[in-house]
Amino acid sequence: AQTVTQSQPEMSVQEAETVTLSCTYDTSESDYYLFWYKQPPSRQMILVIRQEAYKQQNATENRFSVNFQKAAKSFSLKISDSQLGDAAMYFCATDWGAQKLVFGQGTRLTINP
Amino acid sequence: EAGVAQSPRYKIIEKRQSVAFWCNPISGHATLYWYQQILGQGPKLLIQFQNNGVVDDSQLPKDRFSAERLKGVDSTLKIQPAKLEDSAVYLCASSAPDRALNMATFGSGTRLTVV
Repeated sequence: AQTVTQSQPEMSVQEAETVTLSCTYDTSESDYYLFWYKQPPSRQMILVIRQEAYKQQNATENRFSVNFQKAAKSFSLKISDSQLGDAAMYFCATDWGAQKLVFGQGTRLTINP
Repeated sequence: EAGVAQSPRYKIIEKRQSVAFWCNPISGHATLYWYQQILGQGPKLLIQFQNNGVVDDSQLPKDRFSAERLKGVDSTLKIQPAKLEDSAVYLCASSAPDRALNMATFGSGTRLTVV
């Protein structure tokens, strides 16, 4: 069975600083995707970044980047130049089977002004 | 493009009552999902539709939960009778069938409180 573990229930960072959120996963799939979703108080899950497992190059989207270590089954999210609008719950997820998502427990990110 | 629409946004019911949630996916998205998100946890898949057929409902408590997707577009999720432990946010999501393009888009969810 696929599992996703986020070991940091809460993280905080000063505005404009860099923060890294951790995620480890376990999957029996050979072909899979990994995702980071952001969930603000509005509750809508917003896709931040995704990584295809067969690609060695780490995905980057503006201030967001990942460190994908396939052998270690690790998929961390780095947020550079943190902004107040980045404050939210962040969920790591992997897909399996027919595009079904399995989520971690989430990390609450607080940005200190 | 319009996003995934869900209603109602909030619902409070007493235990043993019934409740229904509605979802309208993004136009052209053949795959539709219902997730349950209990407070403090990540979303958990309840049921997945491909057009109007069920792909996976292995985690749906079928003694009290039911879902349908008529004509392969809108979907409703029903709980009857509700229990206290059903208090959660119910998220609907949709995606295109091509996995390479797959980026599930979520609605804002319905927060259900069972008292």
